This record gives sequence, structure tokens and C-alpha cells, in this order.
Amino acid sequence: DVKVTQSSRYLVKRTGEKVFLECVQDMDHENMFWYRQDPGLGLRLIYFSYDVKMKEKGDIPEGYSVSREKKERFSLILESASTNQTSMYLCASSPNRYEQYFGPGTRLTVT
Amino acid sequence: QKEVEQNSGPLSVPEGAIASLNCTYSDRGSQSFFWYRQYSGKSPELIMSIYSNGDKEDGRFTAQLNKASQYVSLLIRDSQPSDSATYLCAVKAGGATNKLIFGTGTLLAVQP
Repeated sequence: DVKVTQSSRYLVKRTGEKVFLECVQDMDHENMFWYRQDPGLGLRLIYFSYDVKMKEKGDIPEGYSVSREKKERFSLILESASTNQTSMYLCASSPNRYEQYFGPGTRLTVT
Repeated sequence: QKEVEQNSGPLSVPEGAIASLNCTYSDRGSQSFFWYRQYSGKSPELIMSIYSNGDKEDGRFTAQLNKASQYVSLLIRDSQPSDSATYLCAVKAGGATNKLIFGTGTLLAVQP
């Protein structure tokens, strides 16, 4: 079974704080993804990575950065959290260019 | 902008009936298609993938693909209350990309 874990299920942060969301997969997958999910807007891709130290912008990268220093770990960074970044954040990994497997998600609230 | 369209629902079916969920996509170059199930408050779970025209069956689930009409559907036979969830259609964008494009999902409610 594919196992994707995320560091927190719920997180509350203040406006302006730097926020780190961690994702770890144990299946040696090449590809990892960060999405946010908001009601009515569906899943939107923030960033993805197809190899260690490699990253590509998704559809909504503004206000976010990522880090992939090791193959199993992909971090999402909110440089200066804002209230419009309150959302469900979902990490996914993929062994190829096809199916993706999701972690449990982190519900982030920025106050 | 490449798009994946789904009716948001809710689609309400009685227990034991067939639920039919539909999805259309705009990118003619798409070759790979996926259905995810998402329970309220949980993350999406992959339940079906389909790559060729026609039907693919897995237990009570059947995925149907028609590339000429740019249409993919999911049938759930003998629907159970535990099938009540949001079903997301996802399409791999054409070309050399790792990206999936997701629809906003259809909410299915199976009535006991």
C-alpha cells in the first residue's frame, strides 16, 4: 500500500507567520505534488516535483515555495501566511506520470 | 485553459440502484483518466483508472471512456449508503506532463 503522510492534520497560524507543511512518502516515488482544495474551486495545483531538488510551478504558486532535498520528502512553505491561504492542503505522490496517491491533508487556518 | 467538467449534484439514488457519474474534458490530447472518491473531511482516494476507449470493470465499479466524445463516466452498481461521497474526475493533460486536471466533483447521496 502506498503511504503518504503529512505532518499535521490541523494547523492554526497567525497572519505573517512562516508556515511549513511537510509531506513524506515511503514508496520511492519520483513525483510529488502540493494542492489546495477550496469549496467550489476543487483541487488546484500549487507546485510539483519530479526529482530531488527539481520543482515546477503549478497553477497557483504565488505566495508559496517548496523544497525537495530528499526523494521521500516534499515541503510546502508559506513565506508570510495570509488569511486567503486558509484552506485544505493536500500532498500527493506518483510513481510515474499517471495515478496520484494522496496524503490525509492538512487543514490550515490563518487568523 | 484545459478543463474537466462535472455536474456538482447532489445525485441522489436509492440503495441498490445504479449510480451514473459523468465527466467531460476539453483537451483532445488527454490519454489517461481517473476517478477518485472523497468522503467528507477526508482526502481523495483513487478508485479507477482508464486509458483505452470502452469499459473497465472493477467489482461494483465500471469506468467508461469515449475519447471521440471527450467523455468519461463511472457507474456504481448496487449502490450502498457507504458509497455516499464526492467523486472527482481527473484527466492527465496531454503531452509530456505529470499534471492531472481535476473536476470539482459530483456529490453522490445513496438513500437507504
